[in-house]
Amino acid sequence: KAGVTQTPRYLIKTRGQQVTLSCSPISGHRSVSWYQQTPGQGLQFLFEYFSETQRNKGNFPGRFSGRQFSNSRSEMNVSTLELGDSALYLCASDWGVGVDEQFFGPGTRLTVL
Amino acid sequence: GENVEQHPSTLSVQEGDSAVIKCTYSDSASNYFPWYKQELGKRPQLIIDIRSNVGEKKDQRIAVTLNKTAKHFSLHITETQPEDSAVYFCAALGMKTSYDKVIFGPGTSLSVIP
Repeated sequence: KAGVTQTPRYLIKTRGQQVTLSCSPISGHRSVSWYQQTPGQGLQFLFEYFSETQRNKGNFPGRFSGRQFSNSRSEMNVSTLELGDSALYLCASDWGVGVDEQFFGPGTRLTVL
Repeated sequence: GENVEQHPSTLSVQEGDSAVIKCTYSDSASNYFPWYKQELGKRPQLIIDIRSNVGEKKDQRIAVTLNKTAKHFSLHITETQPEDSAVYFCAALGMKTSYDKVIFGPGTSLSVIP
């Protein structure tokens, strides 16, 4: 079956702009989690969506938001971009029930100039 | 909340030697501990996981041990090969029904020297 996909793969923005990233989970998966990955910071949890509801949230400012659609596709939005938002943004999907493996997408590389 | 520490942050071994990465977690309710491998420029992928009712699990050259009392778990790679070079992340996860989230360790960059 098809894996997790993310679009776009690369993005260049300037400070103050906003950006929307998209994640399509594996078919049947209902949970989508978002992570920010920067050198030396590992994988920082942003939030998790399950059945169109935000179920968990990490310690990121309100400029970071997301949503999930009825087909489990998820979007992440960052408003008023800052230089420090430059990172690889990964999403991961799983069934959302019980404990199981997360499947990661290839990521979106965001560069803020 | 849950906190996961991981050591060492970087590790270099000679090909054929063993590599050990250790993680500690804070939430005693955590019951699932996956390990992910991320090769340069690629996405993280699960390589092995262990659940709290098991003390050790092996898969060919890879093994994971769990000590719930001490709240630490370790990844062991034997007979290392150059293709084992990557960043390894440990993680701890509580029960999804309580909406616990996955917490990743900061990662260990493993270099296997031919």
